[in-house]
Amino acid sequence: GAGVSQSPSNKVTEKGKDVELRCDPISGHTALYWYRQSLGQGLEFLIYFQGNSAPDKSGLPSDRFSAERTGGSVSTLTIQRTQQEDSAVYLCASSLNRVQNQPQHFGDGTRLSIL
Amino acid sequence: AQTVTQSQPEMSVQEAETVTLSCTYDTSESDYYLFWYKQPPSRQMILVIRQEAYKQQNATENRFSVNFQKAAKSFSLKISDSQLGDAAMYFCAYNDGGYNKLIFGAGTRLAVHP
Repeated sequence: GAGVSQSPSNKVTEKGKDVELRCDPISGHTALYWYRQSLGQGLEFLIYFQGNSAPDKSGLPSDRFSAERTGGSVSTLTIQRTQQEDSAVYLCASSLNRVQNQPQHFGDGTRLSIL
Repeated sequence: AQTVTQSQPEMSVQEAETVTLSCTYDTSESDYYLFWYKQPPSRQMILVIRQEAYKQQNATENRFSVNFQKAAKSFSLKISDSQLGDAAMYFCAYNDGGYNKLIFGAGTRLAVHP
């Protein structure tokens, strides 16, 4: 079956522009996670969705970042008024549910470059 | 707050040899999960192995095994008979058990030389 799909694969935009990053999780997976990976660093948690609700938004770095999930499936991460420090790889993961032993399956990420 | 530390930014190994990657973590929880993920240049995170904290037996997956020392909060990954395809970034991760989010270390870049 299909894995986690993210689009676009790469995005280059000018400082101050808004960007939308998309994640299509594995069918049937109710839990969805967004992570950010800055150059040479590990992954940093951003937000968690269970179904369409986001009970944990604690990792969003500022109010310029928002995310939504519709139909319990596709999720969109939006960054408004982008800054150069937003440049990173944004990774999405899904798991069957939020039970601790369920592995998270990752997409290939979106590499965001802010000029 | 839970933290994960990988003290080796880079490691190298000869093909067919064995290498051990280190990971330590800090938590006050008694029940949790630990993971090793591999990230090749393709960027996709691939689950290598996972360990349940309440299990004393170390997890193994083919050439990959862990040395889990709960009291020392240490979780190292041993790769036996290293292959060229093992070259990648390796991340240690802790599962916080609440919403199942992962807390990652900074990673270790593994080079495999023929």
